[in-house]
Amino acid sequence: QSALTQPRSVSGSPGQSVTISCTGSRSDVGAYNFVSWYQQHPGKAPKLMIYDVSERPSGVPDRFSGSKSGNSASLTIFGLQVEDEADYFCCSYAGSHTVVFGGGTRLTVL
Amino acid sequence: EVQLVDSGGDSVQPGGSLRLSCAASGFSIRNYWMSWVRQAPGKGLEWVASIKEDGGNQYYAGSVKGRFTVSRDLAKNSVYLQMNSLRAEDTATYYCAKVGQIPAAHFDYWGQGALVTVSS
Repeated sequence: QSALTQPRSVSGSPGQSVTISCTGSRSDVGAYNFVSWYQQHPGKAPKLMIYDVSERPSGVPDRFSGSKSGNSASLTIFGLQVEDEADYFCCSYAGSHTVVFGGGTRLTVL
Repeated sequence: EVQLVDSGGDSVQPGGSLRLSCAASGFSIRNYWMSWVRQAPGKGLEWVASIKEDGGNQYYAGSVKGRFTVSRDLAKNSVYLQMNSLRAEDTATYYCAKVGQIPAAHFDYWGQGALVTVSS
């Protein structure tokens, strides 16, 4: 399995919106509606932000939104806040009880 | 409150072995799949292994298959990762994670991580 492709970095100003892309293949993102997104602050464990493409766990602000089209998925953060600055990783089910992660995107809030 | 506490990380020489532990609280591991995910220094996340809720099946990434073994102890509500024939490329922080639902497609709770360094 190859890692999913994410941009290395994105940035935005407080209050703006940013979108992080995640490109996979017909064997993972394109085959299943099981894409998840994780936020990781430096030195901390990852935190689940989105699962099943667009579902938010309890406690995650509705500023975080997920979507998918074909072999690609996206995470959009509306109304950027300073505390959103972190690394974001996408993840997709790849069949046979395996998953594949993206390389991660560093979000900078200017 | 769900909590996962990872332990057992250490420095080990290439070819050596190490066992990581993950103590779970706030839920019973008998009801959930559990997984291990690792992160090399400054790198992305990599799924390592998963164990089914009944302990009957384990699944591994190709990079660790045949060298790593995931197991569990219901009495201690703990999950383990036995790592043998360690290589330099296994150097990483290893996270225990609770699987949110089946299929084992996302992880809703994570441990704080255990650092494994493989170096001579």
